Amino acid sequence: DAGITQSPRYKITETGRQVTLMCHQTWSHSYMFWYRQDLGHGLRLIYYSAAADITDKGEVPDGYVVSRSKTENFPLTLESATRSQTSVYFCASSRQASTNNSPLHFGNGTRLTVT
Amino acid sequence: GNSVTQMEGPVTLSEEAFLTINCTYTATGYPSLFWYVQYPGEGLQLLLKATKADDKGSNKGFEATYRKETTSFHLEKGSVQVSDSAVYFCALSGSNTDKLIFGTGTRLQVFP
Repeated sequence: DAGITQSPRYKITETGRQVTLMCHQTWSHSYMFWYRQDLGHGLRLIYYSAAADITDKGEVPDGYVVSRSKTENFPLTLESATRSQTSVYFCASSRQASTNNSPLHFGNGTRLTVT
Repeated sequence: GNSVTQMEGPVTLSEEAFLTINCTYTATGYPSLFWYVQYPGEGLQLLLKATKADDKGSNKGFEATYRKETTSFHLEKGSVQVSDSAVYFCALSGSNTDKLIFGTGTRLQVFP
């Protein structure tokens, strides 16, 4: 099915472990984003990508790594998970750079718990 | 810097009641303003937008007017339904950046 899919939906991991959250979109959108959603903070941008092999930091990038070897995939890796990274993570994509003309399309999220 | 402030929730209403969710913003230049909605267990989706002052965005019975004089973009609906229960996010896209800045979200609960 066309769309944007995230996996896994739920993940429990231990402090210090590496974990990768996957994001795949079938629209061939150029732009992809990772947000985290926390109570009291709304959505905060972690990283974004304008195209394959082009990534840039958002508001809260520390402790995260991204890659974009293919247009359709944008995995997010927590190199050494910490409890403060317990959150719901959303991947999003858009056709154009300008959000005025191209809305963000969000996946259903990954709920990550770090114990 | 740019920021968005939303009223805290939850907002609890009976079906067919009038809804207002307040949103104010701080931004340089002329931002575009958006409302996104998140239904339970899902990602956010665009509800409506306004790209310049005095524009009114509308969709699914919801509407919001871009008020530059009060730096506001309040969301309204004349008669809510149980199916409108969700979290609503106000957001802006500044003239100096294309990245969306979100408010903290307001949970709406509508009871029959």
